Amino acid sequence: GAVVSQHPSRVICKSGTSVKIECRSLDFQATTMFWYRQFPKQSLMLMATSNEGSKATYEQGVEKDKFLINHASLTLSTLTVTSAHPEDSSFYICSARDGRQMNTEAFFGQGTRLTVV
Amino acid sequence: AQKITQTQPGMFVQEKEAVTLDCTYDTSDPSYGLFWYKQPSSGEMIFLIYQGSYDQQNATEGRYSLNFQKARKSANLVISASQLGDSAMYFCAMRAEAGTALIFGKGTTLSVSS
Repeated sequence: GAVVSQHPSRVICKSGTSVKIECRSLDFQATTMFWYRQFPKQSLMLMATSNEGSKATYEQGVEKDKFLINHASLTLSTLTVTSAHPEDSSFYICSARDGRQMNTEAFFGQGTRLTVV
Repeated sequence: AQKITQTQPGMFVQEKEAVTLDCTYDTSDPSYGLFWYKQPSSGEMIFLIYQGSYDQQNATEGRYSLNFQKARKSANLVISASQLGDSAMYFCAMRAEAGTALIFGKGTTLSVSS
């Protein structure tokens, strides 16, 4: 099946620094990728939809200047957490779909556990 | 607005028994898809099963089956012959329009004991 690779899997950074997370579709082209955030033992909350070659669409309440999304190619989307603070510590996970039919599953990356100290 | 509801925060089952994880949904779109994912402690999301709103038969994938009751807007996951490796968090999700992101329920933590 299709594979989505996310890197890094874990990152610890100092408060005030920026962190970049990469999401790659390895064997298919993904015109759209999705970024989710998950707090411990909670659900996945959609942060933004990343569209290749255009601006990302952010969900209500998500600061677009804090969570910068770039989808420069059909196989790569990046999420940059700018000026990270401890409250940004969370599990971030991306997904991509291979095709636009309703019944195509979303393939997920392995997730990135971000800890801001 | 679309919504997924999972009312069971935790479920406990013994090995080899069957277990049903509940999921109800709400959407006004006539075309939608329902998904179940498994998330072990590692965090990866593992696709289990899919049911389309127009599918006449309940979906099955090995030990997983989806009890789809459209009129009641429910899409329960049935796991037969539970195994220790089934212990994980399970999410029900919906896509109400082709191309959009999945909307997830709060999840159910399944614990399988020997």
